[in-house]
Amino acid sequence: QKEVEQNSGPLSVPEGAIASLNCTYSDRGSQSFFWYRQYSGKSPELIMSIYSNGDKEDGRFTAQLNKASQYVSLLIRDSQPSDSATYLCAVNIVGTYKYIFGTGTRLKVLA
Amino acid sequence: DVKVTQSSRYLVKRTGEKVFLECVQDMDHENMFWYRQDPGLGLRLIYFSYDVKMKEKGDIPEGYSVSREKKERFSLILESASTNQTSMYLCASIGVLGSPLHFGNGTRLTVT
Repeated sequence: QKEVEQNSGPLSVPEGAIASLNCTYSDRGSQSFFWYRQYSGKSPELIMSIYSNGDKEDGRFTAQLNKASQYVSLLIRDSQPSDSATYLCAVNIVGTYKYIFGTGTRLKVLA
Repeated sequence: DVKVTQSSRYLVKRTGEKVFLECVQDMDHENMFWYRQDPGLGLRLIYFSYDVKMKEKGDIPEGYSVSREKKERFSLILESASTNQTSMYLCASIGVLGSPLHFGNGTRLTVT
């Protein structure tokens, strides 16, 4: 079983819709959780960090964390064509330098 | 804002060459990382450094070495480049473990 799993997609949503991206992780020592956006040929850029159970909102983005079920999700409201990218989920194992990345979900927002 | 700068965006090297990838950060971060990213495999850690001259092997250190002589600079060295080292290389830094990684722009290396 992969340590961090994401559906590779592509996930296609119409412009203005909500995009829902999901991620599960296997290590219960995971303490910090991150969502990165990566455009083709570019490096990952941080969208959200979340450290405790519940929801965290930042503009059109909401991260949700459920440690009991070992999943973290990212909701993108009012999706725009410029949101089309690959979204990487990453977790950090507490007290270590290990940052484990999923292979990413490709999102396509259709105009 | 943290700035992590990788010296080259694109590099083309020949098999057997010694290759240096340079990374500089401007936030006085203790921790620096080198990852490679390949389709379907995601990001894999090559080496990590937690201080000047200190390093830890990551998941795939074979064929690579690193150098950290100054806090702000972390170099990745391919001792004898091979075609299977063709990849996107990403440098990252953080101040405190558990914080989000800040990535450089990446170096697309092609070994022919």
